[in-house]
Amino acid sequence: GQSLEQPSEVTAVEGAIVQINCTYQTSGFYGLSWYQQHDGGAPTFLSYNGLDGLEETGRFSSFLSRSDSYGYLLLQELQMKDSASYFCAVKGYGQNFVFGPGTRLSVLP
Amino acid sequence: EAGVTQFPSHSVIEKGQTVTLRCDPISGHDNLYWYRRVMGKEIKFLLHFVKESKQDESGMPNNRFLAERTGGTYSTLKVQPAELEDSGVYFCASSQDSPNEQFFGPGTRLTVL
Repeated sequence: GQSLEQPSEVTAVEGAIVQINCTYQTSGFYGLSWYQQHDGGAPTFLSYNGLDGLEETGRFSSFLSRSDSYGYLLLQELQMKDSASYFCAVKGYGQNFVFGPGTRLSVLP
Repeated sequence: EAGVTQFPSHSVIEKGQTVTLRCDPISGHDNLYWYRRVMGKEIKFLLHFVKESKQDESGMPNNRFLAERTGGTYSTLKVQPAELEDSGVYFCASSQDSPNEQFFGPGTRLTVL
């Protein structure tokens, strides 16, 4: 089976840095993706890690350690518009994705 | 370039009725996925098309759900007969060559009464 764990909620203030962790257990693993979803909206792709290490895209970075079955999404210089749910997703066999339960990020002024 | 579109945006039906959801992927995207998010829970994979072929339908909950993608363009997901537990938001996503970056549609919110 496949399962992913994320914190259910995270709160931070504008301008701060926040890290959202994701641990996974899968029967097959090809990579870890991160998606952002605002209330009522569609999930939006943020990043993908196929190899160990850090991927940086603007204010967002994502990290993967395959040996630890662990990854995280790092959001820097937080803005109010970053308030949303963040999902990690593992690419398993058959190229489909298993999504984590999501982390709701609240950014306070 | 138009994004992924889904129709309808909302659907309210009674238990036992039939509903058909439609998804139009981004033009040229061979890969099309259906997902479902039940309130407060994670996004669950339903199935994956490559062009008109079902690549993986391991996530389909039961035989009340039927997905088609005739001609390898748009796709439909039919629920017949609908049950209360089918309520949720149904998302469609598409991708070109790599499944790593999927483009999601706005979703169809299905409510079964």
